[in-house]
Amino acid sequence: AQSVSQHNHHVILSEAASLELGCNYSYGGTVNLFWYVQYPGQHLQLLLKYFSGDPLVKGIKGFEAEFIKSKFSFNLRKPSVQWSDTAEYFCAVNAGGSGGRRALTFGSGTRLQVQP
Amino acid sequence: EPEVTQTPSHQVTQMGQEVILRCVPISNHLYFYWYRQILGQKVEFLVSFYNNEISEKSEIFDDQFSVERPDGSNFTLKIRSTKLEDSAMYFCASSGRGGEDFGPGTRLTVT
Repeated sequence: AQSVSQHNHHVILSEAASLELGCNYSYGGTVNLFWYVQYPGQHLQLLLKYFSGDPLVKGIKGFEAEFIKSKFSFNLRKPSVQWSDTAEYFCAVNAGGSGGRRALTFGSGTRLQVQP
Repeated sequence: EPEVTQTPSHQVTQMGQEVILRCVPISNHLYFYWYRQILGQKVEFLVSFYNNEISEKSEIFDDQFSVERPDGSNFTLKIRSTKLEDSAMYFCASSGRGGEDFGPGTRLTVT
């Protein structure tokens, strides 16, 4: 079974600061990797996903993530955060194959607070 | 842009009662899922559904739970006899090309 660890539970940044949220996973086979965001009062939205190919994935709203297979990591980055990025961020993984439709295993989430 | 919708947004029920949570997945999606998130805990997978049958389920999804696609649009989660520990946010999701689209959730409160 896979597991996902997000070590930063709460991150506070000032606007324009750079962001990196850590995500490590544990699984013996190939995986698909995802980052979801949940803005206050809203539902989970897909930020970006990695299935195969270029390990540097670009998503919506200026976010990107890099898959480093040797480190079992898929860290989320953004060069300059805005107040509107205040949200909870979830890393998730599912088993590779099946077009990415297997059940997702989520990390515990990182609450990002951006101060104006 | 098409969205997954869920009703009701909040359901309060008494312990031992049956509840049905409803979801309308995105219309051309073929894979459907239920997840739940107990307050302060991780989002947990319950069950996935494809081609009118369960394709995966977790240990949480015991005999008290069932899913159904009663018509071409709705996807329901039934809890037969609710327990206090079933209080959680229940999310429906659907998938077309991989990566799931989530609904806004139903907050279930069992008293």
